Amino acid sequence: GEDVEQSLFLSVREGDSSVINCTYTDSSSTYLYWYKQEPGAGLQLLTYIFSNMDMKQDQRLTVLLNKKDKHLSLRIADTQTGDSAIYFCAETRNTGGFKTIFGAGTRLFVKA
Amino acid sequence: DAGVIQSPRHEVTEMGQEVTLRCKPISGHNSLFWYRQTMMRGLELLIYFNNNVPIDDSGMPEDRFSAKMPNASFSTLKIQPSEPRDSAVYFCASSFRGRESSYNEQFFGPGTRLTVL
Repeated sequence: GEDVEQSLFLSVREGDSSVINCTYTDSSSTYLYWYKQEPGAGLQLLTYIFSNMDMKQDQRLTVLLNKKDKHLSLRIADTQTGDSAIYFCAETRNTGGFKTIFGAGTRLFVKA
Repeated sequence: DAGVIQSPRHEVTEMGQEVTLRCKPISGHNSLFWYRQTMMRGLELLIYFNNNVPIDDSGMPEDRFSAKMPNASFSTLKIQPSEPRDSAVYFCASSFRGRESSYNEQFFGPGTRLTVL
């Protein structure tokens, strides 16, 4: 993706926490998102955060936003084998219109 | 709603042939996006439409690619002539973009897996 960077792989044991990180460069970002892609399927929105927030929690998911460092993270508590997927970070930036940019995706492997 | 519908789900063709991918967005959505996904290049935005009008086609690889949206419920992505390097999964996504908000949840179709031999 264009200026949205993520590490490509993460491997964790079942039951551990997973933390997937993302950095972005555009300070005009308004919304930031995490999408999940399961094998053979399209992307699906997992959660999102507005740029004036620094944290959002939704059941096992915690999103942290550090706007100063332009860093976004997704923490998955008690990771299960069903969480194995590709996770995409995305941002909507104000470019005169609004454009959503996706990262390259982080492939999460969960070992039983 | 059935979600975003794409057809075909799989397409195998020979180099030089014309390929047409089809997409039906979610009813009521006003934005439509075409993406290409490969292992090497990840997810690439090819083109997006707002209210059936192409807004940004800077991601279209070259003149062999063209996209149309003749009405709010249908879009096509055409490759002519196709080449082996076009092999990828092509996704269509749609969203509703309100005037007052930049929030843009995109709903993705299941994708078309294209193989060009």
